[in-house]
Amino acid sequence: GDSVTQMEGPVTLSEEAFLTINCTYTATGYPSLFWYVQYPGEGLQLLLKATKADDKGSNKGFEATYRKETTSFHLEKGSVQVSDSAVYFCALSLSNDYKLSFGAGTTVTVRA
Amino acid sequence: GAVVSQHPSRVICKSGTSVKIECRSLDFQATTMFWYRQFPKKSLMLMATSNEGSKATYEQGVEKDKFLINHASLTLSTLTVTSAHPEDSSFYICSARDLGLAGVVDTQYFGPGTRLTVL
Repeated sequence: GDSVTQMEGPVTLSEEAFLTINCTYTATGYPSLFWYVQYPGEGLQLLLKATKADDKGSNKGFEATYRKETTSFHLEKGSVQVSDSAVYFCALSLSNDYKLSFGAGTTVTVRA
Repeated sequence: GAVVSQHPSRVICKSGTSVKIECRSLDFQATTMFWYRQFPKKSLMLMATSNEGSKATYEQGVEKDKFLINHASLTLSTLTVTSAHPEDSSFYICSARDLGLAGVVDTQYFGPGTRLTVL
């Protein structure tokens, strides 16, 4: 079945460090790919998305490129801030049912 | 942006009672809403898909008689946990599908979640 595998962490970084969270997927069709972020005590928020191969999603300094050849959608940020501390979820959705399949989530803690 | 609310945010109930959780799309119409369950430090597990005006579609392993879903309008879906037991204690999250503009992939917006504790 369709699934998402992401680096589980936890990941602890210093402020201004480079962040990468790996995400790979398995899907029978051509999924849309998403990164969601959950800040402490809050609900999930869409961070970025990509709908087809080679698309790059970006938002708040985060980027992820839809790589069909490696079935990946790795999340990157060049310089993290304390406010980026959160749980990050990679997810996919197939256009025919729009249901989201989530990865296990990666907890990121950024220290000042 | 699109906002989804949930009510209540927290609820504590006695074992054997039923609890209703509401999910509302505040500034858009949602023909489809989804209900998820999130365990501590775990990912979200899709429970069911709620379609306005029709029966919900449940994921494998989810008891439809225990988790009753009603989607009576384009802005409201409810999840009722019937005869709740301590193992039903969890964080329940809904999302609503915004169809968006033509040609733009639709997006799901998530509610803030409801913490259910069954004593």
